[in-house]
Amino acid sequence: AQSVTQLGSHVSVSEGALVLLRCNYSSSVPPYLFWYVQYPNQGLQLLLKYTSAATLVKGINGFEAEFKKSETSFHLTKPSAHMSDAAEYFCAVSGRASSGTYKYIFGTGTRLKVLA
Amino acid sequence: EPEVTQTPSHQVTQMGQEVILRCVPISNHLYFYWYRQILGQKVEFLVSFYNNEISEKSEIFDDQFSVERPDGSNFTLKIRSTKLEDSAMYFCASEGVLLSYTFGSGTRLTVV
Repeated sequence: AQSVTQLGSHVSVSEGALVLLRCNYSSSVPPYLFWYVQYPNQGLQLLLKYTSAATLVKGINGFEAEFKKSETSFHLTKPSAHMSDAAEYFCAVSGRASSGTYKYIFGTGTRLKVLA
Repeated sequence: EPEVTQTPSHQVTQMGQEVILRCVPISNHLYFYWYRQILGQKVEFLVSFYNNEISEKSEIFDDQFSVERPDGSNFTLKIRSTKLEDSAMYFCASEGVLLSYTFGSGTRLTVV
């Protein structure tokens, strides 16, 4: 069984400040981990993914995440927040099912607010 | 860049009516999925589809739901008799090589 927990349903940061969105996972198989961003009334855009290669993953828009197996974490960071980063962020975990497919289990999301 | 196309973008239907949500996956992808997101909630897996059959389905995917790939290009989700609680955003996704997952932009279903 797999699950993800996103700590903090709402996070506010000042423009230019560090962004840290937390995600912890649980998985009985080697996990693949993802961060998606969703802007209002839009679909899901992939920010980055971990697929068992490098533990520090760099994504789009200056975001990165580090896979820490010992802490079962995959936190998302960005050194300097921009107003355009305001959105909902979803962490997701996936693992290979016996069927061969990879369903995603999403967290409940973190709404990021960027203050001017 | 290849896209997953979903139509319509918004559909309003009366309770008890059948709806069909349509998706055109990326052409060389082999695995297909439907997810839904009730307003303000997380995205939930509904069903995966491979080799013209359901690979896995969630508890949400009951007898009211069905999927098919009628013509080798479209991938549809049918809800036979809609309920108010079926109101949600429905996302289609397709997957090619390992975890090259692409989501469509979604269909917002409103049941009144």
